[in-house]
Amino acid sequence: QVQLQESGPGLVKPSQTLSLTCTVSGDSISNWSYYWNWIRQPAGKPLEWIGRIYASGRITYNPSLMSRVSISGDTAKNQFSLRLTSVTATDTAVYYCARDRGDDDTVVLDYWGQGAQVTVSS
Amino acid sequence: DIQMTQSPSSVSASVGDKVTITCRAHQGVSRWLAWYQQKPGKAPYLLIYAASILHSGVPSRFSGSGSGTDFTLTISSLQPEDFATYYCQQTNIFPPTFGPGTRVDIK
Repeated sequence: QVQLQESGPGLVKPSQTLSLTCTVSGDSISNWSYYWNWIRQPAGKPLEWIGRIYASGRITYNPSLMSRVSISGDTAKNQFSLRLTSVTATDTAVYYCARDRGDDDTVVLDYWGQGAQVTVSS
Repeated sequence: DIQMTQSPSSVSASVGDKVTITCRAHQGVSRWLAWYQQKPGKAPYLLIYAASILHSGVPSRFSGSGSGTDFTLTISSLQPEDFATYYCQQTNIFPPTFGPGTRVDIK
């Protein structure tokens, strides 16, 4: 059974950096069959794809966030992480990590973490 | 980015009803479309990908169809556990984008 669990601070001050980690069990982020994604959902709004990392180390970002976002992986801990710099109130959202059964050209999110609420406020 | 729209935005239905939700992509995405179900306070759950392929374990009362710009999710006989919000997502033109959601609630 694949499980993903987000962790990190629930409150971040404006202009600071949001950092979240996704711990994966039941699968390996080194598995060449899958990609590992971050998605967010502001309250009452649609889901927004942030980016993903592949076993090869290849990373793809949403262009709308590319200047502020970075995703990295730690194969020893079977975790992957999200950093979002210079946050503002508009970055307040539930952040999800998810496994992606797609390929180089598609994103299909088949297993999700439960989500982590992150609020940006002073 | 490809804009996705869904209709209706919400629908009230009874157990046993047939429910149809439509999704439109503002440019063609072939059959590269997925559907997710989300219940309050929970993560989305993959129902269908490639427009019509049921994800493992998804009940057969769910079905998907369409290609190009117009897609449909159908629940053939609504069950109590199906009351939720449904999102479509185009999967192959980066960045992937989601529709605004359709809420299915109890009449």
